[in-house]
Amino acid sequence: GAVVSQHPSRVICKSGTSVKIECRSLDFQATTMFWYRQFPKQSLMLMATSNEGSKATYEQGVEKDKFLINHASLTLSTLTVTSAHPEDSSFYICSARDSTGRSTSNTGELFFGEGSRLTVL
Amino acid sequence: SQQGEEDPQALSIQEGENATMNCSYKTSINNLQWYRQNSGRGLVHLILIRSNEREKHSGRLRVTLDTSKKSSSLLITASRAADTASYFCATALTGANSKLTFGKGITLSVRP
Repeated sequence: GAVVSQHPSRVICKSGTSVKIECRSLDFQATTMFWYRQFPKQSLMLMATSNEGSKATYEQGVEKDKFLINHASLTLSTLTVTSAHPEDSSFYICSARDSTGRSTSNTGELFFGEGSRLTVL
Repeated sequence: SQQGEEDPQALSIQEGENATMNCSYKTSINNLQWYRQNSGRGLVHLILIRSNEREKHSGRLRVTLDTSKKSSSLLITASRAADTASYFCATALTGANSKLTFGKGITLSVRP
């Protein structure tokens, strides 16, 4: 099956620093990737849609200058949390949609990374 | 508010019993999907049912969709302790490359 690799799985940083999280599709191409944030025992909140070769589409209330997204290739999207603060501590999950046509629907399944737990001290 | 709402929020059953989880949504959809999440891990896709389908099976999983009631159910038969996880329904609205909207999730505990 399709594999999405997310790195790092855990990161602890000091307040004010920036943290980059990578999301890679290992055996398929993904023109679209999604970044979610999940609080403990809660659902996934979509932060932004990452589009290869163009600007990301951010959901309402998500600061694009705070959460920088870059989707420079068909297999890699990165999320950078800039000037991190303790309230940014959370579980961040990426997902990707196979754009090579293996899914039977344009709105087919998503393949998820294992998530990155960010702790800002 | 979120598109999908699951119930119950938490379910605890004995190994071997069946687990039924429900999901309701508010607007027209292209498809509905169920995902599973083990604690602290990413999500794993379980099954997708399209708006023109009423029932679908995959191994011990059975999903139904009632578009008139805007609801879906996920049945896990002969549950195992390894089925312990959180389960989310997610809806895709009409249109290509539509984003998924996730419900709040159901925590399933299967006692050995």
